[in-house]
Amino acid sequence: GEDVEQSLFLSVREGDSSVINCTYTDSSSTYLYWYKQEPGAGLQLLTYIFSNMDMKQDQRLTVLLNKKDKHLSLRIADTQTGDSAIYFCAEKSGGGFKTIFGAGTRLFVKA
Amino acid sequence: NAGVTQTPKFQVLKTGQSMTLQCAQDMNHNSMYWYRQDPGMGLRLIYYSASEGTTDKGEVPNGYNVSRLNKREFSLRLESAAPSQTSVYFCASSDGSGVLRNEKLFFGSGTQLSVL
Repeated sequence: GEDVEQSLFLSVREGDSSVINCTYTDSSSTYLYWYKQEPGAGLQLLTYIFSNMDMKQDQRLTVLLNKKDKHLSLRIADTQTGDSAIYFCAEKSGGGFKTIFGAGTRLFVKA
Repeated sequence: NAGVTQTPKFQVLKTGQSMTLQCAQDMNHNSMYWYRQDPGMGLRLIYYSASEGTTDKGEVPNGYNVSRLNKREFSLRLESAAPSQTSVYFCASSDGSGVLRNEKLFFGSGTQLSVL
């Protein structure tokens, strides 16, 4: 079945770049997403990429998609303490309405 | 600028009690969803409603029922709560639907439920 996997923790120093990785199994995925969850809050959409694109850049965020390897990454440039949060990778299932989420990567930013 | 509103924010239940989680959205979205979030497991879909008048089971529907009361409101009911239902529950809505549409989800702030 469909599955999305990502590592659970990442720690970086303030000012460094963060790279959060994700792999997915559904080759018919149409859209792939990155959501951010801050403590005590719901998820907020950060960015997304259509499956026929390789890269998308949005200010400090760069999304890379390797469709052959079913690998998605999110790079945050110049990481700040305010970027500390849980980041969820998600795919829109090609089979219909479902969005499948990974377990989330908790990003720690050390000052 | 409310977006998706969930109530209550916190709830403690005893095993066997029932309760309803309420969700409302003011973005005129067609689709609404209920997810639960458990540590290390990400978000799992409980039920969804693609449009007013329709509801469908998600990945983990057992022990839950839903009602799409109108286009704005989508409630989740636990008829007889069990400790395994201790979780954080999120309601979400989207304006996309179908295979090719971009399903951007808008989430409420969550309900933390403990079942003792």
